[in-house]
Amino acid sequence: KNQVEQSPQSLIILEGKNCTLQCNYTVSPFSNLRWYKQDTGRGPVSLTIMTFSENTKSNGRYTATLDADTKQSSLHITASQLSDSASYICVVYKGAQKLVFGQGTRLTINP
Amino acid sequence: GAVVSQHPSRVICKSGTSVKIECRSLDFQATTMFWYRQFPKQSLMLMATSNEGSKATYEQGVEKDKFLINHASLTLSTLTVTSAHPEDSSFYICSANEREGYTDTQYFGPGTRLTVL
Repeated sequence: KNQVEQSPQSLIILEGKNCTLQCNYTVSPFSNLRWYKQDTGRGPVSLTIMTFSENTKSNGRYTATLDADTKQSSLHITASQLSDSASYICVVYKGAQKLVFGQGTRLTINP
Repeated sequence: GAVVSQHPSRVICKSGTSVKIECRSLDFQATTMFWYRQFPKQSLMLMATSNEGSKATYEQGVEKDKFLINHASLTLSTLTVTSAHPEDSSFYICSANEREGYTDTQYFGPGTRLTVL
């Protein structure tokens, strides 16, 4: 069964702190994995894309990792800012144009 | 990155009326667009795949006569919620697919909040 599971479901941290979000997947075939940020009431925006052969990719304060053997990915956010408060969704692209969504992690940054 | 717009961003209507939502790819052509529905604190659920010039493909459990999809051009897809009822109230998000080399990427619109009274 094609599934993407994220943890934690929600997370609250103080501004300036770091955090790591987790994603485990059982999707086949695997095309690539992306992390999206979704602000409340807005559509998802892509943060990173990782293919099977990539282990780490950074986008500013966001760093994503992928372990294709264990089928795990993480998103690390460094020096969090209030604007980082959002839902972060792990999405696995399964072949052409087929997406499997995780339930998302709701991140709240408190001042 | 590519930009996808949706209109309107928010709509409130009376029960029994029909509502049309537009999805446009602004700087690229999209042969395929997708319509999703999202309930509070849940992830996106695919409703249908819209292909330019042909009939949409609906996911299991989605009523095609209730959610009419038209993909008349390579930059525009519309979703019409017919005879809307309060249970149709939701956040509707479209996406447009762009192929770059061998990689497909779905770019999402900002969403449309539908409230049916």
